[in-house]
Amino acid sequence: EAQVTQNPRYLITVTGKKLTVTCSQNMNHEYMSWYRQDPGLGLRQIYYSMNVEVTDKGDVPEGYKVSRKEKRNFPLILESPSPNQTSLYFCASSLGQRNTEAFFGQGTRLTVV
Amino acid sequence: GESVGLHLPTLSVQEGDNSIINCAYSNSASDYFIWYKQESGKGPQFIIDIRSNMDKRQGQRVTVLLNKTVKHLSLQIAATQPGDSAVYFCAEIDTGGFKTIFGAGTRLFVKA
Repeated sequence: EAQVTQNPRYLITVTGKKLTVTCSQNMNHEYMSWYRQDPGLGLRQIYYSMNVEVTDKGDVPEGYKVSRKEKRNFPLILESPSPNQTSLYFCASSLGQRNTEAFFGQGTRLTVV
Repeated sequence: GESVGLHLPTLSVQEGDNSIINCAYSNSASDYFIWYKQESGKGPQFIIDIRSNMDKRQGQRVTVLLNKTVKHLSLQIAATQPGDSAVYFCAEIDTGGFKTIFGAGTRLFVKA
């Protein structure tokens, strides 16, 4: 089954404790991206990657890091999480290098206390 | 399920009626537009797309209209069904095709 898998689905952590949210896709897609979703603000793009070892900032990259060492994986790293990073996070992938017809994961609910 | 938008504009329609959801986009250089549907507790799901060289595109029960003059996008759903109840987002992609900007979303509520 074609899918984008995020882990974990739910995470509660404390301020300053490094964490990684994993994202994996099994569709051989070139483009992957991370979004955060907050009430009233819609989805905002954090980082995106057009291909292996090629990443760039979206609209809200501060406080986040990503890597794309393999085509299928695109982890989101929070080196020192803060409460304002409490949010619902989505990973997505698209076939080409443009972000067209994106397939989204199920989301990761992160709470930073 | 997950709360995706506590203060979203809401459109309430009767089952069987047509729905029109509107979106104003921000960048006149955007050349590709997409509508996504998000059900409670799930990630957004692709519905339909349109390129900037088109004014209209039809899918199964859905039609997207693009008015570049006023930077307006709309999604029309024919014969709306209870399963169409969800939050709908428009998205614009810049000419380079890498950055994506989503609208705030509209909640569609279908009354049986």
